[in-house]
Amino acid sequence: TQLLEQSPQFLSIQEGENLTVYCNSSSVFSSLQWYRQEPGEGPVLLVTVVTGGEVKKLKRLTFQFGDARKDSSLHITAAQPGDTGLYLCAGPPTGNQFYFGTGTSLTVIP
Amino acid sequence: NAGVTQTPKFQVLKTGQSMTLQCAQDMNHNSMYWYRQDPGMGLRLIYYSASEGTTDKGEVPNGYNVSRLNKREFSLRLESAAPSQTSVYFCASSEEGSGYEQYFGPGTRLTVT
Repeated sequence: TQLLEQSPQFLSIQEGENLTVYCNSSSVFSSLQWYRQEPGEGPVLLVTVVTGGEVKKLKRLTFQFGDARKDSSLHITAAQPGDTGLYLCAGPPTGNQFYFGTGTSLTVIP
Repeated sequence: NAGVTQTPKFQVLKTGQSMTLQCAQDMNHNSMYWYRQDPGMGLRLIYYSASEGTTDKGEVPNGYNVSRLNKREFSLRLESAAPSQTSVYFCASSEEGSGYEQYFGPGTRLTVT
């Protein structure tokens, strides 16, 4: 069982559509990060959320940290082909251990 | 700046062979990490080093050893490779510990036959 479960695992949508990716855990996290990974490369950080209930916007991407700091969501408005990639949530429940979510593979069709 | 570099990029091993994956960072980061990535499993932490001279086990350490040679370099050794260790291996570094942005290398694709 993974500490951070993401849903959906795969998502294929048309350009211009909106989507939401979820990251859930039964554990409390001091912070959560979202990364995007493109094929053949390592993940790259998009955002870090720290405070329960926090909402951060990065252009067309909106990130929310749950009030109880056990879950997070990523909403993309008007998806573009350049948004295609693997989206990963990640965080430290305690100490220096660091856990990544199971990942959501997004394909945006032109 | 090269960031985080990993060698080799690809490797094929036979069961029982050993090898060392090399990682180096030029960002003067204190913390370094080794992950493996398998389909549907995201990335799982193998070992990490919070500072030069210290190493700790992560989520999946069995079958691996690490060495933090100096502040720049963090190597991962497979003493006796098994097919279950077929995976993509990523090295990462961060300024401090967890909660800080991690910078990743390009990965090593390892196949054990």
